[in-house]
Amino acid sequence: GESVGLHLPTLSVQEGDNSIINCAYSNSASDYFIWYKQESGKGPQFIIDIRSNMDKRQGQRVTVLLNKTVKHLSLQIAATQPGDSAVYFCAENQDNAGNMLTFGGGTRLMVKP
Amino acid sequence: EPEVTQTPSHQVTQMGQEVILRCVPISNHLYFYWYRQILGQKVEFLVSFYNNEISEKSEIFDDQFSVERPDGSNFTLKIRSTKLEDSAMYFCASSERGGRQPQHFGDGTRLSIL
Repeated sequence: GESVGLHLPTLSVQEGDNSIINCAYSNSASDYFIWYKQESGKGPQFIIDIRSNMDKRQGQRVTVLLNKTVKHLSLQIAATQPGDSAVYFCAENQDNAGNMLTFGGGTRLMVKP
Repeated sequence: EPEVTQTPSHQVTQMGQEVILRCVPISNHLYFYWYRQILGQKVEFLVSFYNNEISEKSEIFDDQFSVERPDGSNFTLKIRSTKLEDSAMYFCASSERGGRQPQHFGDGTRLSIL
């Protein structure tokens, strides 16, 4: 899920399939993680969060998995719909950084009808 | 559903001029934030604000930047003397409490410095 310069990684899925968006984080002191969805012309929209004392959390059609051993976070979207097309960001809150969120580079999800 | 609102949606300003970006956080939220996103880059933290004072700020938030809560509803970001590199999307966010709480974002102000 990390960007390289101006290029966003893109995930293209068929409508109805499940999507998995990945994010690697680098700071082992991070203890809180959020997934955001950003549609064109809009701000980041909260999807789901997870604390470091958990390894899985489920919401409506979404599941976040946290693997602290390899510092990896994933967002699973079940039965992906065209309205899910957007850029997805993971953000982390480091234990010693107050309320500051550090964002990843984003992944573009494209859903084909 | 309550939301963070930002005005204007697009601001065009001459280099060297002052600009004020405005935000109305969600009404029962106590923590307020500004982030920015330069085109094609990551969202970057600028500042957090609680109880009428700055609680954290990043290296980006230098003396040219200031924040204020002038009344019970507005939260503003002022850039005193804008530079070309200040061109970006500026997002305001708020959270109900501090700590490990979701931050809810507005739709941003696109600032273009000419």
